[in-house]
Amino acid sequence: GAVVSQHPSRVICKSGTSVKIECRSLDFQATTMFWYRQFPKQSLMLMATSNEGSKATYEQGVEKDKFLINHASLTLSTLTVTSAHPEDSSFYICSARDPENTEAFFGQGTRLTVV
Amino acid sequence: AQTVTQSQPEMSVQEAETVTLSCTYDTSESDYYLFWYKQPPSRQMILVIRQEAYKQQNATENRFSVNFQKAAKSFSLKISDSQLGDAAMYFCALNDMRFGAGTRLTVKP
Repeated sequence: GAVVSQHPSRVICKSGTSVKIECRSLDFQATTMFWYRQFPKQSLMLMATSNEGSKATYEQGVEKDKFLINHASLTLSTLTVTSAHPEDSSFYICSARDPENTEAFFGQGTRLTVV
Repeated sequence: AQTVTQSQPEMSVQEAETVTLSCTYDTSESDYYLFWYKQPPSRQMILVIRQEAYKQQNATENRFSVNFQKAAKSFSLKISDSQLGDAAMYFCALNDMRFGAGTRLTVKP
C-alpha cells in the first residue's frame, strides 16, 4: 500500500512556542490530506481537511489561527501549532487520500508534549 | 452532515472464534465509500476493509468481511478465526474520513 510519512514522531516544546508537524505522501500525489487529534483511549477527531493549493477546511470548534495547516504541494501538508500551551499536548495524526479517491493512508502520528 | 455511530465500546472474543463489530451511519450521498480501520497499540492506523456503496456484494478480505445493509445504513465487520493479533481498536468511517467512537476488541487465548 501507499506510504505516508509523518515527522516528527515525538516533540517536546516550551509553552508559548510554535511547533510544525510534517505529513508527506511518499509514493503518490495526495490532493486531499486530513489532520486529526486523538486523546487517550478516544477516537480520532478530525481537525481539518486540506486540499492542495487551497485553504484548509476546519471542523467546528477548531481554532484556525492556532492550528495552521498548509498544503502547498501534492506530497506535503504541514500542521503548525502556534503559541502552544500544555492543553495542546496530544497525539496528532495525518492521512492522505490516494489518487483514486478511495481510502486514506495514515502517518505514524506525532506525540506533542508542551511543557 | 455525515455521521458514523459505533455503539459497542468494547468487545471480547475467544481465539479462533468469530466476532461482529457494529457500525451505523447516516449520509445524504448516493455514492460513497465505507471503511473499517484498525489501530493496534502502536497507534498506526491500518485499513482493514472498504465497501463501495454502489456494490451490492459484501466486501471480503481473508478473515474479514462486512455485512453492508444500505437501506438500513448498517456496515458491520465480521472477523472469523480471530487471532491474538486482531486485538486493537476498530474504527468505522465514511469517505469524509470522520470516524466513529471505536470498538476495543480483546482476543482471549
